Amino acid sequence: ETGVTQTPRHLVMGMTNKKSLKCEQHLGHNAMYWYKQSAKKPLELMFVYSLEERVENNSVPSRFSPECPNSSHLFLHLHTLQPEDSALYLCASSQEWTGQGFDYEQYFGPGTRLTVT
Amino acid sequence: AQKVTQAQTEISVVEKEDVTLDCVYETRDTTYYLFWYKQPPSGELVFLIRRNSFDEQNEISGRYSWNFQKSTSSFNFTITASQVVDSAVYFCALSEATSNSGYALNFGKGTSLLVTP
Repeated sequence: ETGVTQTPRHLVMGMTNKKSLKCEQHLGHNAMYWYKQSAKKPLELMFVYSLEERVENNSVPSRFSPECPNSSHLFLHLHTLQPEDSALYLCASSQEWTGQGFDYEQYFGPGTRLTVT
Repeated sequence: AQKVTQAQTEISVVEKEDVTLDCVYETRDTTYYLFWYKQPPSGELVFLIRRNSFDEQNEISGRYSWNFQKSTSSFNFTITASQVVDSAVYFCALSEATSNSGYALNFGKGTSLLVTP
């Protein structure tokens, strides 16, 4: 495997289900991200992890719970979602932000298309 | 407030035509970073270019070229002799070095480019 992989690619879940999205990066990066892409809206940053610590949480509802067990893996645990949470969820990775500026591009996975019924 | 504006929602051109995708950004930082990504129908965001705010040199990569003008806060992207495979949604993004969300990429809403034979 190369680059950033995401599983599953498609997921349909009921509002009472619990599911998890998985992301794995094979680029040696140590920062990972979750983005949400809804129709007609810009990509929204949800969570950022650097060196396995969460450093950014953009006011995301608690029904989304991230987990980063190591620098190569990132999960997004989902529970009691709403239909408006249906979207494409994209994972990305990059080099650690050094604090001197963010000039390391993010590499994205293919996304998980989530439908909440 | 929208930090990145891509005024063109959809563009349709015939193969071999040149096409320019506009991007206007807004920031108070003196150090910032601009990006272009391509999102083909498969969904994966593909990194195209990163430009630092202190480097206004334009760049050419094959049929792709980028025109960065700080005076007008624009970072436009031109595809020369377009091909059907260029059909995709193109996103412009901004990252600000001093932002509290320094990791965040602020994306525009994207321009959907359709190249027909």
